[in-house]
Amino acid sequence: DGGITQSPKYLFRKEGQNVTLSCEQNLNHDAMYWYRQDPGQGLRLIYYSQIVNDFQKGDIAEGYSVSREKKESFPLTVTSAQKNPTAFYLCASSTRAVNEQFFGPGTRLTVL
Amino acid sequence: GIQVEQSPPDLILQEGANSTLRCNFSDSVNNLQWFHQNPWGQLINLFYIPSGTKQNGRLSATTVATERYSLLYISSSQTTDSGVYFCAVAYQTGANNLFFGTGTRLTVIP
Repeated sequence: DGGITQSPKYLFRKEGQNVTLSCEQNLNHDAMYWYRQDPGQGLRLIYYSQIVNDFQKGDIAEGYSVSREKKESFPLTVTSAQKNPTAFYLCASSTRAVNEQFFGPGTRLTVL
Repeated sequence: GIQVEQSPPDLILQEGANSTLRCNFSDSVNNLQWFHQNPWGQLINLFYIPSGTKQNGRLSATTVATERYSLLYISSSQTTDSGVYFCAVAYQTGANNLFFGTGTRLTVIP
């Protein structure tokens, strides 16, 4: 089945640790995105990538890093520099021709 | 970024009732999507509708791009329609990232 997978579903982190969230898609989409959702809020863009080996900062990139070595994969690292990392993280993808975005199931990150 | 306002913020309906959700946005867009977020957080695509009208079963949507608003209609609501409905838009030029509203929380009671 085609789709977007994210892992893990739940993640607990101690303060000062870096963690990496996985996002994989088999939709053959060129563009991939990471969003963050805080309780009672809409989603905000962290990073996006339109093509392999290229990515751009979104509105709230501070404390996060990404890589795009393969078309199918767009991992997000939450570093210790991110001051309030506890949130729900969603990955999305789209074609470049039609920007209809499809979302993965999300990862809930909690900092202990 | 683009400002996206959704109304009402909360809506409680009796099962079988109809409702209209509104999304206003502040700039020209080339993408407008409606999503339903289920209790587990999954965002389910309802419509990709930068302009015009679409229907899918009990749901329909209309976007009037020149007046910068979109409407989502839910007819004969069911308890499974409960959740948060988001509108999201992208600029007409430049990057394609979506700007989200803060959502309408719909509760359908039996």
